[in-house]
Amino acid sequence: DAGITQSPRHKVTETGTPVTLRCHQTENHRYMYWYRQDPGHGLRLIHYSYGVKDTDKGEVSDGYSVSRSKTEDFLLTLESATSSQTSVYFCAISGSYNEQFFGPGTRLTVL
Amino acid sequence: GESVGLHLPTLSVQEGDNSIINCAYSNSASDYFIWYKQESGKGPQFIIDIRSNMDKRQGQRVTVLLNKTVKHLSLQIAATQPGDSAVYFCAESRASGGSYIPTFGRGTSLIVHP
Repeated sequence: DAGITQSPRHKVTETGTPVTLRCHQTENHRYMYWYRQDPGHGLRLIHYSYGVKDTDKGEVSDGYSVSRSKTEDFLLTLESATSSQTSVYFCAISGSYNEQFFGPGTRLTVL
Repeated sequence: GESVGLHLPTLSVQEGDNSIINCAYSNSASDYFIWYKQESGKGPQFIIDIRSNMDKRQGQRVTVLLNKTVKHLSLQIAATQPGDSAVYFCAESRASGGSYIPTFGRGTSLIVHP
């Protein structure tokens, strides 16, 4: 998995609770991404980062925030989880102008 | 907005046959295209890519063809094996600030029968 880990791998939480997902890379790549994958929608970009403390929104960023305080870690936070955020979340990394490498995914269920 | 799509949601083939998975893209400004394979319960895995200055690129048992005139991308898998069974995604992207931000299609499920 190109030196990418995600934690936790599975999480069940209740509506209204905060949730933080972690992506960790050992490749020293500049770019990191968070996607969600839902049936019928494919992979949709939530947020991405182009360097430490540099982030930008993707197409489905509402309800999510991110932080990147170190090159190797990219955190995705759901401030107040909703049932519509039940999904599989993938982190990806890339070098400049290169293909993305994906992590193993986190399955999140919001009850 | 512009998006990537796939012609066939499911493709069933016999082991040993050649498989062709098609993809249409709509953004004429896209200049980088990627095919990914995703097995059940795993993250997408890079297969092959092609840039817009090329029409064809070959890898090990896989070939990607790009037709910019009709905005069409295809993935050809030679001598398909049961281990090729997976969902295949195409993605289109263009350079933005030093990186490519891809737009993914919804995927085609390839089923290989032994």
